[in-house]
Amino acid sequence: DQQVKQNSPSLSVQEGRISILNCDYTNSMFDYFLWYKKYPAEGPTFLISISSIKDKNEDGRFTVFLNKSAKHLSLHIVPSQPGDSAVYFCAALLFGNEKLTFGTGTRLTIIP
Amino acid sequence: SQTIHQWPATLVQPVGSPLSLECTVEGTSNPNLYWYRQAAGRGLQLLFYSVGIGQISSEVPQNLSASRPQDRQFILSSKKLLLSDSGFYLCAWSVRRLSGNEQFFGPGTRLTVL
Repeated sequence: DQQVKQNSPSLSVQEGRISILNCDYTNSMFDYFLWYKKYPAEGPTFLISISSIKDKNEDGRFTVFLNKSAKHLSLHIVPSQPGDSAVYFCAALLFGNEKLTFGTGTRLTIIP
Repeated sequence: SQTIHQWPATLVQPVGSPLSLECTVEGTSNPNLYWYRQAAGRGLQLLFYSVGIGQISSEVPQNLSASRPQDRQFILSSKKLLLSDSGFYLCAWSVRRLSGNEQFFGPGTRLTVL
């Protein structure tokens, strides 16, 4: 049972444009959502998070939007840069539960 | 600042051989510790997590086991490796707090079972 889904395995965006990565979830009880970025042969690095009581969180070029009614979150990167090329994972957390549930990832390629 | 170490970085092992991957965390006390596997073309699969010394929770039945002999040490083991154990193994840590539970990952170990 995949509770967190990233339906687009890959995405290509031109440098300077906006990249939008999407994530859907099925468990309406999730309290907290996170985005991670992963380069090949490295561990994921934490990017940005959002609490379920908010609908937007912004940090520099990265903005995460949460639509609880649709059980959908998205990560916006603007402007996209070549160094943003990586695999992006969304993850969800239930408070009191020590485990993150990860999506399957989206490979973002920024075209110079 | 906190750091997390994993070794070895890469490992090639024959089928049926034992396995021991080690993970240590510095700069924090009583962390939650996690082992994940990323198989080719797949997402991150949680294998084990630990909230304290000697406390191990297993997420999926498999050929692997985990141990936490010390507060900041987490070990992933197998008595006999299978071909399907190949993958990229990641250790992570977190501190429980009300505002969220960001996990911070180590550099990973690439395991190839032949």
